Amino acid sequence: KAGVTQTPRYLIKTRGQQVTLSCSPISGHRSVSWYQQTPGQGLQFLFEYFSETQRNKGNFPGRFSGRQFSNSRSEMNVSTLELGDSALYLCASSLKAGQGGNEQFFGPGTRLTVL
Amino acid sequence: DAKTTQPTSMDCAEGRAANLPCNHSTISGNEYVYWYRQIHSQGPQYIIHGLKNNETNEMASLIITEDRKSSTLILPHATLRDTAVYYCIVRVGGGTSYGKLTFGQGTILTVHP
Repeated sequence: KAGVTQTPRYLIKTRGQQVTLSCSPISGHRSVSWYQQTPGQGLQFLFEYFSETQRNKGNFPGRFSGRQFSNSRSEMNVSTLELGDSALYLCASSLKAGQGGNEQFFGPGTRLTVL
Repeated sequence: DAKTTQPTSMDCAEGRAANLPCNHSTISGNEYVYWYRQIHSQGPQYIIHGLKNNETNEMASLIITEDRKSSTLILPHATLRDTAVYYCIVRVGGGTSYGKLTFGQGTILTVHP
């Protein structure tokens, strides 16, 4: 079974631009979560989607948004990029949302560099 | 979600068992203990999870104390490829924590030849 895939793997943008990252979950998984990883803040939860609905959101500004499609694929968007948005963006999928003992499987991440 | 405390770093000789401790003294009855690891610049990898009982899979064993206030991840025969950051996470199964894993700083495990 194929794992979680993320595209693109690497991205370079300039301040003020916007970016869209894509995540395809493991087949049959309906929940997709997004995380940001930086050297200073570590791994931080962005948001989670299940059945095209955002179920939970982390403490990030409104410039960070996401959505999920009917086939469970998800995208996240960052508008008006800032230098501090440079990070590894990770997507994780799981079979269900909010279930006890429900493990998440992570993709390889998208490395975003903002110049 | 309950807070966890892990040692910053640990060393282990190749072929020996690696025992990684985690304290979660404020854990609630409905919170699970999860372990993930992250090899440099890759996405975190799920290892194992448990609620009350000890668990074992092909990667590792998880020992949870009877009072559930601490746990130990055991890699029975560590290899160089097990060098990674290991995260212990305590998470409620549902409610407002949908999908959210709260990562701490983790333990940097270095396996030596």
